[in-house]
Amino acid sequence: AQSVTQLDSQVPVFEEAPVELRCNYSSSVSVYLFWYVQYPNQGLQLLLKYLSGSTLVKGINGFEAEFNKSQTSFHLRKPSVHISDTAEYFCAVTFPFSGGYNKLIFGAGTRLAVHP
Amino acid sequence: SAVISQKPSRDICQRGTSLTIQCQVDSQVTMMFWYRQQPGQSLTLIATANQGSEATYESGFVIDKFPISRPNLTFSTLTVSNLSPEDSSIYLCSVSPTVASTDTQYFGPGTRLTVL
Repeated sequence: AQSVTQLDSQVPVFEEAPVELRCNYSSSVSVYLFWYVQYPNQGLQLLLKYLSGSTLVKGINGFEAEFNKSQTSFHLRKPSVHISDTAEYFCAVTFPFSGGYNKLIFGAGTRLAVHP
Repeated sequence: SAVISQKPSRDICQRGTSLTIQCQVDSQVTMMFWYRQQPGQSLTLIATANQGSEATYESGFVIDKFPISRPNLTFSTLTVSNLSPEDSSIYLCSVSPTVASTDTQYFGPGTRLTVL
């Protein structure tokens, strides 16, 4: 069965420091990969997605992620975080041949807390 | 992108009653989804709402408990029936323009339900 594992439930970091949020997936077939962000009391917003091609994907707000097929990972990075990046981050997968509907499977989420 | 609104934004309900949540999109979309986010947890797909046909429910979710309507391409409702405290969650609507797995899912702001 397909699954998504986010290895860190919480990541504290100081402002202007770099951060990496880890995501691993388990699948016997090809996947599409997504990172979403959820700010307090809001819905989810897409940060970036990997469908094919270059394994380094750039998203909004200065975030990027790298797809590593051999390690089945899709870690999210930002070289310098801001207080406003404090939020919950979700990694998700879906499948190219999903029988006609694009069901997303989410990881448990990582709470990024940026401190001054 | 799509702009999604949900009503109500939050509600407090008594055990044994029902709550109907509305999801409105500003453009016609093929796919609409309903997710549950229990406190401190990730998102779990409840069902996919198809216009003109029965909703498709995920394992562990049944129509009697979570009836869904999808009368047109811009609107859907989710009813949570016979409420118990375990139903206290955030319920999110999401949409996708087509059935393609490459499409981004756009999320509404969520409805926060508390059951007493």
